[in-house]
Amino acid sequence: QKEVEQDPGPLSVPEGAIVSLNCTYSNSAFQYFMWYRQYSRKGPELLMYTYSSGNKEDGRFTAQVDKSSKYISLFIRDSQPSDSATYLCAMSGYDKVIFGPGTSLSVIP
Amino acid sequence: GAGVSQTPSNKVTEKGKYVELRCDPISGHTALYWYRQSLGQGPEFLIYFQGTGAADDSGLPNDRFFAVRPEGSVSTLKIQRTERGDSAVYLCATATGSAGELFFGEGSRLTVL
Repeated sequence: QKEVEQDPGPLSVPEGAIVSLNCTYSNSAFQYFMWYRQYSRKGPELLMYTYSSGNKEDGRFTAQVDKSSKYISLFIRDSQPSDSATYLCAMSGYDKVIFGPGTSLSVIP
Repeated sequence: GAGVSQTPSNKVTEKGKYVELRCDPISGHTALYWYRQSLGQGPEFLIYFQGTGAADDSGLPNDRFFAVRPEGSVSTLKIQRTERGDSAVYLCATATGSAGELFFGEGSRLTVL
């Protein structure tokens, strides 16, 4: 079993839809949880960063962490064509950061 | 510079050759990571430096791969006797500390023929 699993996608949604992206993990030492966005042929860029269980909201994006279930989610409201990218969950204890395999999202105008 | 700089951006080499990939971090960032990303996959952890020392090199696939960061700034990933399976994008990321926000470069795309 990989340390971090992610819904494989690809996902294709109409503009304005709500998108849900999910990851599960096996290592209970993970304390920090992140979502990165990666456009084609670019390096990943940080979208959301959370510590501990609960919700964190930033504009159209909401990150949710449930440490008891080892499950994290990213919700995108009012999705836009510019949100089309690969979304990577990432997590760490106090050292290396481990990434999930990514979910490719296409938002159709 | 303002961001993480990686050179070369593209490298084509022949099987068996030696390759060096360079990463210039954001000034002041003490943590530096190397990842490998294959098409359609997430970044795969290779090695992590805190300052000059390798804090964790458990992701290096075999002894053909080696990385250094002699002065705690620029890092070089070295691959000996390249194989076709080494073809991937090699990403460098830096951070102000461990477990924090990573700032990525645009990657070095390695193709081994």
